[in-house]
Amino acid sequence: DAMVIQNPRYQVTQFGKPVTLSCSQTLNHNVMYWYQQKSSQAPKLLFHYYDKDFNNEADTPDNFQSRRPNTSFCFLDIRSPGLGDAAMYLCATSRVGSGTSYEQYFGPGTRLTVT
Amino acid sequence: AQSVTQPDIHITVSEGASLELRCNYSYGATPYLFWYVQSPGQGLQLLLKYFSGDTLVQGIKGFEAEFKRSQSSFNLRKPSVHWSDAAEYFCARGNFNKFYFGSGTKLNVKP
Repeated sequence: DAMVIQNPRYQVTQFGKPVTLSCSQTLNHNVMYWYQQKSSQAPKLLFHYYDKDFNNEADTPDNFQSRRPNTSFCFLDIRSPGLGDAAMYLCATSRVGSGTSYEQYFGPGTRLTVT
Repeated sequence: AQSVTQPDIHITVSEGASLELRCNYSYGATPYLFWYVQSPGQGLQLLLKYFSGDTLVQGIKGFEAEFKRSQSSFNLRKPSVHWSDAAEYFCARGNFNKFYFGSGTKLNVKP
């Protein structure tokens, strides 16, 4: 089945130690998104890639970076995690273009714990 | 600014009872509207979507939603709730490469 895969599902890192979260997709979608979701809150968009074009949300901290080396993979790098960065990180994909309805398909998420 | 409002933070219903979750969106051109469900510790699963045509849309797991332009609403309904429906439900409005999520409604199901 076509899907969005996130690895790892659970990640524990130390305060200030860089961490990378991974997302891959077999849907061949042209847009990939990273969201941060804290407990009992709606997902908050951090940034997205439209093909190779990177689009950062205005309020995304500089501590968060992303890479998309090819259509299938996208990475979220947190350069110096703080305790406030502990959250669920969701990757999503969509096909944007003529005749599409823009629905997003989500991966299962990576739960990040910062100690 | 585009926004989505879910007025109910928590809802509790008895198993077998009917369910309606409310969603209102701010004015805009024909909206692309979605309902997602999230079980604890999981990602979001698409239940249904609306972007044109019939205003009553059917989704997975027995859910349906009705788009009412005059009320700027897109309420989610299910005639008979099952215990496995307990989860958090998010309404979203999408446009070109951006989603606006509501704050979510947590559904509890009483036996």
